[in-house]
Amino acid sequence: EAGVAQSPRYKIIEKRQSVAFWCNPISGHATLYWYQQILGQGPKLLIQFQNNGVVDDSQLPKDRFSAERLKGVDSTLKIQPAKLEDSAVYLCASSSGLANNEQFFGPGTRLTVL
Amino acid sequence: RKEVEQDPGPFNVPEGATVAFNCTYSNSASQSFFWYRQDCRKEPKLLMSVYSSGNEDGRFTAQLNRASQYISLLIRDSKLSDSATYLCVVNMRGYSSASKIIFGSGTRLSIRP
Repeated sequence: EAGVAQSPRYKIIEKRQSVAFWCNPISGHATLYWYQQILGQGPKLLIQFQNNGVVDDSQLPKDRFSAERLKGVDSTLKIQPAKLEDSAVYLCASSSGLANNEQFFGPGTRLTVL
Repeated sequence: RKEVEQDPGPFNVPEGATVAFNCTYSNSASQSFFWYRQDCRKEPKLLMSVYSSGNEDGRFTAQLNRASQYISLLIRDSKLSDSATYLCVVNMRGYSSASKIIFGSGTRLSIRP
């Protein structure tokens, strides 16, 4: 079974530039998550989708971050404009959506903002 | 106070030792609990779910104490391959009744030969 795919794996941009990350969850997984993990910290949930609807985006900095999952499968996360403090690994995860179910993580995108 | 707190470590123990981590959570309405393992520069992977009755998987034992609002992970007969960061995850019910997933900052474990 293919895992969660993410691209790009690495991205270096200058502050105030825009960047987009892509995620393809495990086939059939209804729930998709985007996390931000800063070095030395645990992942912080940015947004959670159930199919193409948003379940939780309370920690998403909406002035600069946006995410969509238009057809309920792939998802993109965008940052515009980027700040130095956005340097982190952006992890995408998916789960079947059932109670107490396991999240499967992709390899992440390591973003460096200069 | 953080919603989910872990001792960051690092815990540096000899191979074969028993080591235990605790994780405390602030929301008494929390619903489900997990331990994830994260190797250096890798993505987190589920180690085990934590059930009210406690559960064991080989050398790993997880327990939940709802009264004191903490979960624990015990590793017996530790192996070099157990070296990793262990993340506590709590699925909380927020004020709006929607669930909210919170990761702890992780506990670093290093096993020495």
